[in-house]
Amino acid sequence: NAGVTQTPKFRVLKTGQSMTLLCAQDMNHEYMYWYRQDPGMGLRLIHYSVGEGTTAKGEVPDGYNVSRLKKQNFLLGLESAAPSQTSVYFCASRPLTGFGSYNEQFFGPGTRLTVL
Amino acid sequence: GNSVTQMEGPVTLSEEAFLTINCTYTATGYPSLFWYVQYPGEGLQLLLKATKADDKGSNKGFEATYRKETTSFHLEKGSVQVSDSAVYFCALSSTSGGSYIPTFGRGTSLIVHP
Repeated sequence: NAGVTQTPKFRVLKTGQSMTLLCAQDMNHEYMYWYRQDPGMGLRLIHYSVGEGTTAKGEVPDGYNVSRLKKQNFLLGLESAAPSQTSVYFCASRPLTGFGSYNEQFFGPGTRLTVL
Repeated sequence: GNSVTQMEGPVTLSEEAFLTINCTYTATGYPSLFWYVQYPGEGLQLLLKATKADDKGSNKGFEATYRKETTSFHLEKGSVQVSDSAVYFCALSSTSGGSYIPTFGRGTSLIVHP
């Protein structure tokens, strides 16, 4: 199993450009999440999904959109990138088996995005 | 709502020193508690977890006990190594409200010197 993979690993954008970050998991997990990590801020939840075809807003959703058309993929889009979106982005997935709150999250390796 | 508070870092120790990283939480219901570790340039990975009061999670020499009476889940290791240098995150997960959105602390950086 590859676990959780993220594409690309690094990206530099100019202000106003758009891009899509891809997260893929091969563990058949129901839940998927997108976080951003900034120095001194810990992890902040951007959007999440509780199943194929569903998405919901997290703590910091502005400027981002997501889609979960297939269970194994969770896409994060930036329509018009801004310097404030310079960050490291992590995707995570989580199974929904038994008592769901007992289950840990599985994280991808991250995407480092710089917006100039 | 749920919240997790962990000690500010960085924590700087010499090799073989004893480590404690404090974590306290507030939550409704009966949360599960987790410690994740993030090595430089990598994503988070589960270090240990505990799912009910008085449970002790352990892994790689690290331990943490779920203390409901003090709402704490402190991380300890008896003798740290240089390879333990990383950022450690305390987290909880609760089914309150019917969703499974984990709550994370801000992370504590650990630096271990030879």
